[in-house]
Amino acid sequence: NAGVTQTPKFRVLKTGQSMTLLCAQDMNHEYMYWYRQDPGMGLRLIHYSVGEGTTAKGEVPDGYNVSRLKKQNFLLGLESAAPSQTSVYFCASRPWRDPRGNEQFFGPGTRLTVL
Amino acid sequence: QQPVQSPQAVILREGEDAVINCSSSKALYSVHWYRQKHGEAPVFLMILLKGGEQKGHDKISASFNEKKQQSSLYLTASQLSYSGTYFCGTEGQYGGATNKLIFGTGTLLAVQP
Repeated sequence: NAGVTQTPKFRVLKTGQSMTLLCAQDMNHEYMYWYRQDPGMGLRLIHYSVGEGTTAKGEVPDGYNVSRLKKQNFLLGLESAAPSQTSVYFCASRPWRDPRGNEQFFGPGTRLTVL
Repeated sequence: QQPVQSPQAVILREGEDAVINCSSSKALYSVHWYRQKHGEAPVFLMILLKGGEQKGHDKISASFNEKKQQSSLYLTASQLSYSGTYFCGTEGQYGGATNKLIFGTGTLLAVQP
């Protein structure tokens, strides 16, 4: 199993450009999450999904959109990138319910720079 | 809503002990602990599911005081490999469901030879 994978690993954008980050998981997990990580801020939740076709806002959703058309994929879109969106983006997934606790499994991250 | 971690940073010598605290202003369902090495993804350490629960993994253990909405991570006889940033993630009744984690800002731990 590959676990959680993210594409691309690195990207540089100019202000105003758009892009989509792809997260894929092969563990048949229901829940998927997008976080951003900035120095000194920890991990902040952008959007999440509790199942195929559903999405919900997290702590910092402005400027981002998401889609979950297939259970294994969760896409994060930036329609018009801004320098404030320079960050490391992590995707995570977890099963619907695990009696041992709802551990989240993280992808390797995408480092995005907006000039 | 973001849990508060303390201390923000700690420097240890190999073999010394450390305690990292995590406290929340909200009632909690569970507390998760992760460690992150520089440039890597967070790695799961353990979950504490109910008040008073204590868990251990090697020489790293944790406790959860549900009444105080606090958790502590204990690192004993620290090793160089323990270096990294430690995050707690709290799972509470956000909007009536326990669907998401809110992470603290992290504690940077540096273990020196």
